Amino acid sequence: RKEVEQDPGPFNVPEGATVAFNCTYSNSASQSFFWYRQDCRKEPKLLMSVYSSGNEDGRFTAQLNRASQYISLLIRDSKLSDSATYLCVVLSGNTGKLIFGQGTTLQVKP
Amino acid sequence: NAGVTQTPKFQVLKTGQSMTLQCAQDMNHNSMYWYRQDPGMGLRLIYYSASEGTTDKGEVPNGYNVSRLNKREFSLRLESAAPSQTSVYFCASSYPGQGSYTFGSGTRLTVV
Repeated sequence: RKEVEQDPGPFNVPEGATVAFNCTYSNSASQSFFWYRQDCRKEPKLLMSVYSSGNEDGRFTAQLNRASQYISLLIRDSKLSDSATYLCVVLSGNTGKLIFGQGTTLQVKP
Repeated sequence: NAGVTQTPKFQVLKTGQSMTLQCAQDMNHNSMYWYRQDPGMGLRLIYYSASEGTTDKGEVPNGYNVSRLNKREFSLRLESAAPSQTSVYFCASSYPGQGSYTFGSGTRLTVV
């Protein structure tokens, strides 16, 4: 079983839609959680950290459920520029290194 | 601009050839990493260096070696390239134990 699992998609949504991505992690010792964004043929970039209390950054909301070992990302009012791959990332409690999910691809259509 | 610089951006090798991928960061980060990214596999850690003078194996180290030349530079060497090493390679850096990594723009390597 992969340490971080995501539905690869693709998710095809119209502009203005709300879309949610989910992610599960297997190691209960995981310390910190993040969402990274990767545009086609580009490097990953940090989108936001995920806190137990949930956090919001503009149209983006991230939530963490430690009991269920589950992380989510909600994007409201989708824009064409949101089209990208979203990587669920966990800071391993065992190694102190980032473990990346395979990513979920979002395509926002006009 | 501050960041992580990787060279080369593209490379084609024949099976059995060797090459070194270069990475340099000017963010004064202690930790540096080499990842490879393959379709459907996500990013997998090859080697990392927690600080200058130390290197450790990651998830997929076979066929690779690394050198942490100084605080800024961390190179990845393929001694005898194989088609299975065809991939996109990313270098990254961070402060130790932090989840905010800065990535280089990647090296697209094809081994034929």
